[in-house]
Amino acid sequence: DAGVIQSPRHEVTEMGQEVTLRCKPISGHNSLFWYRQTMMRGLELLIYFNNNVPIDDSGMPEDRFSAKMPNASFSTLKIQPSEPRDSAVYFCASRRHRQGVLPHSGANVLTFGAGSRLTVL
Amino acid sequence: AQSVTQLGSHVSVSEGALVLLRCNYSSSVPPYLFWYVQYPNQGLQLLLKYTSAATLVKGINGFEAEFKKSETSFHLTKPSAHMSDAAEYFCAVSPVSAGGTSYGKLTFGQGTILTVHP
Repeated sequence: DAGVIQSPRHEVTEMGQEVTLRCKPISGHNSLFWYRQTMMRGLELLIYFNNNVPIDDSGMPEDRFSAKMPNASFSTLKIQPSEPRDSAVYFCASRRHRQGVLPHSGANVLTFGAGSRLTVL
Repeated sequence: AQSVTQLGSHVSVSEGALVLLRCNYSSSVPPYLFWYVQYPNQGLQLLLKYTSAATLVKGINGFEAEFKKSETSFHLTKPSAHMSDAAEYFCAVSPVSAGGTSYGKLTFGQGTILTVHP
């Protein structure tokens, strides 16, 4: 099992540019989460998906941020246009929930990717 | 809404000494609680979790945590620190419905950086 795979690991870009972060969850996992980590705000949940459907995007900072999950094995987080205050480490995490029970049941053992460190100049 | 507070952003211990990292939660009903560890330039790894079974939970690398409802606490301990324990530790909470189900979102504390001196 390769774990949760994120790319790129590091991204340096200039203010105003579009940034796309990518995530491949663990095979068989059907919930996917995007978190952002900064010194000031710690770990914040941005959005999460169950079975490719966005469930809660209340943590998305503003309209410049968007996330998609076109299939069970891929998700993107896009920032357009990027700003210096978006500089952070962005983590993707996934988990599996059991079939035949409510989508949210079970203890939430998330497996995290290694993160994408974004620097916006 | 659930939340967790980690007391102390930095904890420093000597190798072989007791490690104690404090976490208090706020929730109207007992939630699910977790400790994660983050090594430099890596993602978070699960150390242990409490899901309303035994109140004393044992995790990996010799860590354990005790759920105390009366104190709304879930402190992380290890009897003897090792140099390799130096990392940042996060306490996290997940809400639980009356039916015992939990939801996808984890809320994390601000983290505690553990330094281990030789």
